[in-house]
Amino acid sequence: GAVVSQHPSRVICKSGTSVKIECRSLDFQATTMFWYRQFPKQSLMLMATSNEGSKATYEQGVEKDKFLINHASLTLSTLTVTSAHPEDSSFYICSATPRATGELFFGEGSRLTVL
Amino acid sequence: AQSVTQLDSQVPVFEEAPVELRCNYSSSVSVYLFWYVQYPNQGLQLLLKYLSGSTLVKGINGFEAEFNKSQTSFHLRKPSVHISDTAEYFCAVSRTGGYNKLIFGAGTRLAVHP
Repeated sequence: GAVVSQHPSRVICKSGTSVKIECRSLDFQATTMFWYRQFPKQSLMLMATSNEGSKATYEQGVEKDKFLINHASLTLSTLTVTSAHPEDSSFYICSATPRATGELFFGEGSRLTVL
Repeated sequence: AQSVTQLDSQVPVFEEAPVELRCNYSSSVSVYLFWYVQYPNQGLQLLLKYLSGSTLVKGINGFEAEFNKSQTSFHLRKPSVHISDTAEYFCAVSRTGGYNKLIFGAGTRLAVHP
């Protein structure tokens, strides 16, 4: 099946620093990628929709200046958490859809811990 | 807008027993329905999906689900569970015409005991 890879899988950073998480579709071109956030023992909440070559569409309540999303190519989207705070600590999961079928494939997730 | 309700936050069951995880949805438009499984500290794996056609959908690992439009339900079932089925299960819905913007339920923790 199609593979979506996230990097890093775990990251610890100091409060006030910025962290970049990458999401790559390894064996297909992804016109659209989605970024989700998952708090412990909770469901996934959609943060934003990332379209290749255009600005991301953010869900209501998500700060676009804090969570910068870039989808510069058909195989890579990045999420940058700027000026991270402890409350940004969470599990971030991306998903990608191939151009043809639209079926979603999920990455392994990235656990961010802000100290 | 769509919403998903998973009626049980936790379901304990003994190994080799049958299990049903319940999912109800709400939508004013036609939807696609999905079940995903998540193991600790991992992403999501698709178990099965309903797009159209037969209302009984068979997925991986022996799971199946039945779409009931009149009851707006999509319950997940397995006739005999294994210890390895212990995980978090999420029901999700999206509008038809694309797989965009999945809306997830709160999840059901399936705990299989020996």
